[in-house]
Amino acid sequence: DAMVIQNPRYQVTQFGKPVTLSCSQTLNHNVMYWYQQKSSQAPKLLFHYYDKDFNNEADTPDNFQSRRPNTSFCFLDIRSPGLGDAAMYLCATSRGSSGKYEQYFGPGTRLTVT
Amino acid sequence: AQSVTQLDSQVPVFEEAPVELRCNYSSSVSVYLFWYVQYPNQGLQLLLKYLSGSTLVKGINGFEAEFNKSQTSFHLRKPSVHISDTAEYFCAVIFTGGGNKLTFGTGTQLKVEL
Repeated sequence: DAMVIQNPRYQVTQFGKPVTLSCSQTLNHNVMYWYQQKSSQAPKLLFHYYDKDFNNEADTPDNFQSRRPNTSFCFLDIRSPGLGDAAMYLCATSRGSSGKYEQYFGPGTRLTVT
Repeated sequence: AQSVTQLDSQVPVFEEAPVELRCNYSSSVSVYLFWYVQYPNQGLQLLLKYLSGSTLVKGINGFEAEFNKSQTSFHLRKPSVHISDTAEYFCAVIFTGGGNKLTFGTGTQLKVEL
């Protein structure tokens, strides 16, 4: 089945220690998104890629970076995690950037910062 | 201002009873409307969407929603809930002209009891 895969499902990192979360997709979608979802809150868009074009949300902290080396993979790098960065990180994909295209979500990676 | 409101943070309901989860939005542009479900420690799954056409939309798992433009609402309904429907439900909106950015409501926790 075509899907969005996130690894690892659970990640523990230390305060200030860089961490990378990964997302892959077999849907061959053009657009990939990263959302942050804190406990009991709605998902919040951090940034997205349309093909290789990177689009950062205005309020995404500089501590968060992303890479998309090819169509299938997208990475979220947190350069110096703080305790406030503990959250579920959701990757999503869509075929295009129009609102008519459904976003497909991965299962998420739960990040714990100690 | 563009916003999405889910007034009910929690909705308890007995099994086999009907349920309605409310969603209202505020917008000066046309919108696309979505309902997502999230089970514990999982990603988001699309229940249904309204892009255009018939205002009554049927989705998966027996859910339906009705778009009411005059009341700027998109309430989710199910005539008879099951224990397995216990989850967090998010209403989300794409405001046209804003690309494919989903703006989520704060979510409603549906708890189905025996």
